[in-house]
Amino acid sequence: DIQMTQSPSSLSASVGDRVTITCRASQGISNYLAWYQQKPGKVPKLLIYAASTLQSGVPSRFSGSGSGTDFTLTISSLQPEDVATYYCQKYNSALALTFGGGTKVEIK
Amino acid sequence: QLQLQESGPGLVKPSETLSLTCTVSGGSISSSSYYWGWIRQPPGKGLEWIGSIYYSGSTYYNPSLKSRVTISVDTSKNQFSLKLSSVTAADTAVYYCARQGYRTPTRAFDIWGQGTMVTVSS
Repeated sequence: DIQMTQSPSSLSASVGDRVTITCRASQGISNYLAWYQQKPGKVPKLLIYAASTLQSGVPSRFSGSGSGTDFTLTISSLQPEDVATYYCQKYNSALALTFGGGTKVEIK
Repeated sequence: QLQLQESGPGLVKPSETLSLTCTVSGGSISSSSYYWGWIRQPPGKGLEWIGSIYYSGSTYYNPSLKSRVTISVDTSKNQFSLKLSSVTAADTAVYYCARQGYRTPTRAFDIWGQGTMVTVSS
């Protein structure tokens, strides 16, 4: 099984900071990776798919990059409404759609 | 626009079968462009994919749950359903249904239901 490891598990940053979250796959998954945002008490929301394609309606301060085993989600200028837990998810195989463990983002 | 809504008992006894239904509105479950999936989230924990189904009935299950999971589709009612057998307290979670792209590049979950909390307790 391919494992997805996110880091850090949590972070605290100031408004306006650039924030980077990493997701590493234990084997190559091409660019078949999505990022989700889950605000406290809310439903997960798709931010990015195919590693770098922004879902419609998602602010442009969010971006994704990577291919193979190493991926990043970047928030270029952290806003108060970005407080949430972020999850990566691989989908290279229909048989195993694994989520990462999540990264909790807070405002300092 | 497309909406998904989970329904089913909020309390299930240990060893029994958890049964949930997801009703799709504002679009057809028979679209060739999508899978339909179930994801769960135990309180305070992360997301776990349970399984997905295509309108034709083809299913894909999380290997760790495969022996206990059955997902089915009823195209006439625009619904798909989840059954999880022999439940324990570890199956207590919010259960989400979601739409999933069919083609590999877009196979993420793009539309989610509101989720339903299921507690396993006697």
